[in-house]
Amino acid sequence: DGGITQSPKYLFRKEGQNVTLSCEQNLNHDAMYWYRQDPGQGLRLIYYSQIVNDFQKGDIAEGYSVSREKKESFPLTVTSAQKNPTAFYLCASSISKGPLLAGRDEQFFGPGTRLTVL
Amino acid sequence: AQSVTQPDIHITVSEGASLELRCNYSYGATPYLFWYVQSPGQGLQLLLKYFSGDTLVQGIKGFEAEFKRSQSSFNLRKPSVHWSDAAEYFCAVVGGSYIPTFGRGTSLIVHP
Repeated sequence: DGGITQSPKYLFRKEGQNVTLSCEQNLNHDAMYWYRQDPGQGLRLIYYSQIVNDFQKGDIAEGYSVSREKKESFPLTVTSAQKNPTAFYLCASSISKGPLLAGRDEQFFGPGTRLTVL
Repeated sequence: AQSVTQPDIHITVSEGASLELRCNYSYGATPYLFWYVQSPGQGLQLLLKYFSGDTLVQGIKGFEAEFKRSQSSFNLRKPSVHWSDAAEYFCAVVGGSYIPTFGRGTSLIVHP
């Protein structure tokens, strides 16, 4: 089955530690995204990547880092610089058919990772 | 820049009743508009989308939405709600940046 997988489902971190959240897709999508979800705040964009080896900051990139070395993988690292990392993190992908159709693409979401800082 | 507002944080309806979830957007031209649904602890799933043409769009699970340019709205409707429709609903708008902006979500509670 094609889809997006995120691991782990639950993650606990001590203050001062970096942690990496995994996101893998087998949909052959070009674009991938990371969102943070907090109660009552909807989804806020952390980083996105429209092609391998390239990524852009979203609205709340401070304290996070990403890499896009492979088309199917877009891991997110939550660094110790992120002041309030406890949240639900969602990864998404879209096919990205090119500039003429940009923006029309449906996003496909993974099941999420719930990160808790102890 | 684009923005989207979902004015209702929670909506409570009885099973079998009709439903309307509100979504208002701000963008200088006609944006691309989406509605997604999220079950507890899960990712989001697309319900429907609007790009152009017929302003009434049909989606999955019996949902529909109507684009009203004069009101900058894209409200989601369902004529008869089922208990399984209880979830969080997100409206999203895509403007010139080609990256979606999501609303804060509306939580739907369905009473038996």
